[in-house]
Formats: sequence, C-alpha cells, structure tokens
Amino acid sequence: EVQLVESGGGLVQPGRSLRLSCTASGFTFGDYAMSWVRQAPGKGLEWVGFIRSKAYGGTTEYAASVKGRFTISRDDSKSIAYLQMNSLKTEDTAVYYCTISIAVADFDAFDIWGQGTMVTVSS
Amino acid sequence: QSVLTQPPSVSGAPGQRVTISCTGSSSNIGAGYDVHWYQQLPGTAPKLLIYGNSNRPSGVPDRFSGSKSGTSASLAITGLQAEDEADYYCQSYDSSLSAFYVFGTGTKVTVL
Repeated sequence: EVQLVESGGGLVQPGRSLRLSCTASGFTFGDYAMSWVRQAPGKGLEWVGFIRSKAYGGTTEYAASVKGRFTISRDDSKSIAYLQMNSLKTEDTAVYYCTISIAVADFDAFDIWGQGTMVTVSS
Repeated sequence: QSVLTQPPSVSGAPGQRVTISCTGSSSNIGAGYDVHWYQQLPGTAPKLLIYGNSNRPSGVPDRFSGSKSGTSASLAITGLQAEDEADYYCQSYDSSLSAFYVFGTGTKVTVL
C-alpha cells in the first residue's frame, strides 16, 4: 500500500526551529518529487515547497512566505523527506501535509497525501 | 494569499446539481496550466477528485466533473449526496515568483 506518514510536529516558541519528517512506503520513493502543503486552523491549503527527484537534480522550490526560513531535503535510502523550519512565526501554525504525485505524475496533481502533523508556534 | 478565487460556500438539496468556480489569472489558469480539484472531509487530508481539468482518478464517482475555460475552471457535482458535504479546493501551477503551485480559497459544500 502506498503511504506517507508525517511526524515531528508539536509546540514550539516563535523564533525556534522544528524539523518534520515524511516517511514513505509502498513505492520507489526516489523516483518522485515530494511536496509539503500546510493548512492553518480553519483556513485553506497553502503550498509550502517541494523537492525534485535526484533524476531531476534534487532541487527545491519554495513559496515566498517560507523562502529563506524553510528547507526541504530527502534521504532516498530511508524513503524520508524532511522539512526543516527555522525562525518560526506564529503564522506558521498549521497542519503540515506531505504529498506526492504518483499515478498522475504527468499532471502535477497530488494524489497521495499523508495524514498531516500539527505545528503550533506560540510562546 | 491564494491567487485562485472560489466562492466561500455553495449548497443544494440531495439530488441537485451544484457548481464551484475557480477564477485565476494569466499567470496560472489563463496561461494554460492544468487545474486539479480536491475534496477535504472534516478532519482528514485532502483527496484528489479531478486532475488535468477533467479527469477522474480511479474510484471517484462520475457525479464529479471538471471543466476549464480561459482564466477559470469549474467543478460540478450532480446528484448531490449527503457524503459530498465537504470543503473543495482547486489547484494549479503559477508562473509568478510567489509560488510554484497555488490552491484556491476553498468552497464549503453544504447538503441541505
């Protein structure tokens, strides 16, 4: 079964750092780009960023709201993607989902989602 | 922050047809990029409903259909059912500097 499982969320003070993990199973993780999407409480979905597969250079792209503070990386040997979040702000409070495109990879749509992990930034 | 605009809510009686619009601009939908739709039930992760403007993933009922024209796209739900009550989001690619992928503002569908 294709599955994504996020972990690492929790309560953190403003200005501090937190690292989220997304563990994949059921498919060849290294063949696919991985995105992070977040959802603030009661709000809509916001794309955070993504990392390309090694075949496409393993490069990253970020939303303007997190660029320079967040870093996405991947360890294909462990089938894990990471979201390193630095200089956290209260407005970063959200459920963070990792998501990929497998069956619809030609369309840049996200067909596999994790269950999400909650990050609360508060003093 | 969202660059794709959706109506906050739509409602309909069971069996009726409802449509949700998604309005973008020349840097996303109007530039020819595909539109995708997601359904999010309360407390759960989004689920892909429509991809590539009008294609349904395996398992999605044919009551759901999508279309795109110009700088807008639409999701239609025919034969509305109680289990369709959820939030719906459109998504596309954006060529501006602010984001690579963009989501719509979201629409709450209520079954009366």
